[in-house]
Amino acid sequence: SAVISQKPSRDICQRGTSLTIQCQVDSQVTMMFWYRQQPGQSLTLIATANQGSEATYESGFVIDKFPISRPNLTFSTLTVSNMSPEDSSIYLCSVWGGTEAFFGQGTRLTVV
Amino acid sequence: GESVGLHLPTLSVQEGDNSIINCAYSNSASDYFIWYKQESGKGPQFIIDIRSNMDKRQGQRVTVLLNKTVKHLSLQIAATQPGDSAVYFCAENPQTGNQFYFGTGTSLTVIP
Repeated sequence: SAVISQKPSRDICQRGTSLTIQCQVDSQVTMMFWYRQQPGQSLTLIATANQGSEATYESGFVIDKFPISRPNLTFSTLTVSNMSPEDSSIYLCSVWGGTEAFFGQGTRLTVV
Repeated sequence: GESVGLHLPTLSVQEGDNSIINCAYSNSASDYFIWYKQESGKGPQFIIDIRSNMDKRQGQRVTVLLNKTVKHLSLQIAATQPGDSAVYFCAENPQTGNQFYFGTGTSLTVIP
């Protein structure tokens, strides 16, 4: 199993600003994933973060808007840049544990 | 991403009854599926998984059925309890990595 910690758990931000979300895993993992969950919706994969290489983004998501860092095998950050109210969502970090995917508790972001 | 959808967005059942939650997926090459449960304010939690070489898998009070011919999954919960009230998601792994694509979600409410 894997234990994932995300920071912050929630934040309220002004439009036009940026927020960096941190994800810490208690074990080394090759791949980490970032998801967005808009209010009342399902999870949408933003990107896959690999250590030592650039993140791979899903259709509809771009690096300029959601830059990702992956400095080591236990940590990743997702930045939501130049925020607008449409970015209000829960952002979740996930890792593959060999037999299942584990998720953090999420970061609830509200953009005002 | 892949298209994974659910037939019913909400489901209400009486405590003690059985629940059935359905899911359709679009990628016939997907070979691994997971059902997740998400309680309010929490990240998704693994319930049960199934690989494409199986038609049925049983866990504790839960059964997942896979029909590859029509690309359909179902989650059956026996003797539903109030603690089962949550949103349930199916997710598929399309063999291109360890990322998962999630369905719309079904909100299950158990009536005492």
